[in-house]
Amino acid sequence: GAGVSQSPSNKVTEKGKDVELRCDPISGHTALYWYRQSLGQGLEFLIYFQGNSAPDKSGLPSDRFSAERTGGSVSTLTIQRTQQEDSAVYLCASSFTGTGSYEQYFGPGTRLTVT
Amino acid sequence: SQQGEEDPQALSIQEGENATMNCSYKTSINNLQWYRQNSGRGLVHLILIRSNEREKHSGRLRVTLDTSKKSSSLLITASRAADTASYFCATDMDSNYQLIWGAGTKLIIKP
Repeated sequence: GAGVSQSPSNKVTEKGKDVELRCDPISGHTALYWYRQSLGQGLEFLIYFQGNSAPDKSGLPSDRFSAERTGGSVSTLTIQRTQQEDSAVYLCASSFTGTGSYEQYFGPGTRLTVT
Repeated sequence: SQQGEEDPQALSIQEGENATMNCSYKTSINNLQWYRQNSGRGLVHLILIRSNEREKHSGRLRVTLDTSKKSSSLLITASRAADTASYFCATDMDSNYQLIWGAGTKLIIKP
C-alpha cells in the first residue's frame, strides 16, 4: 500500500518568505508527527497530532511555526518569515496509534533551504 | 532533551564482518526501537523491543536490552554494502507517545 508522502521534496526560499510543507500519512493511522533533522543530527520533535488535535506542540521552535491536520489525514506545517536557521530536512511520520508501542512510518522528507 | 545516545558515532568495517552499535538512555521506558536511515530509502523501522524483553532477532539483526543498565545494542551480522547507513535508537518514556531520538551511529561497510 501507499506509504507516507511529503511535498515538496525540495524547497528553496528567500529569508522572510513563508513556506508550507505537506504530509499525507498512511490511511488509517491516527497519529502523525513532524520532526526536523539538521545535517548529521538526530531527529528533533516538533509536533504530534492524534486525529485532528495536537496535544503536544512543545517542540515547535517559535511562534513562526504552526501546523494543522484536517480530516484526520493530511497535515501541513507552515513556517512564517523563514530564517536561515530553519534550513533542515522536515520529516513527517505516521503511526497506527500515538504510543511508543508502534513503529513510525516516515515520509521521504522535505529539504528546506533558506537563502 | 536527548534520551537515547548511540555509541560509537561512526563505525567503518569490512563487508562480511559483524557491526555492533550501542544505545544508552536515561529514564525508564516501555519500548525501544531501532531505525535505519540511508539516502535511498529514508528512515525505516528495523525492530522494536519491549521493556520486558531481553533479546530479539530479525534476520541478520540482533537487539538486546538491559533495563538495569539502561542500554541496548544492535548487532548486524555478516554485513553487506547495503547496510551502509545511519542507525538510530528511539525510546518512549513511560506513558508517553513521543519517541526520543539519539544522534545516531554512522555505519560504513567497505567492500
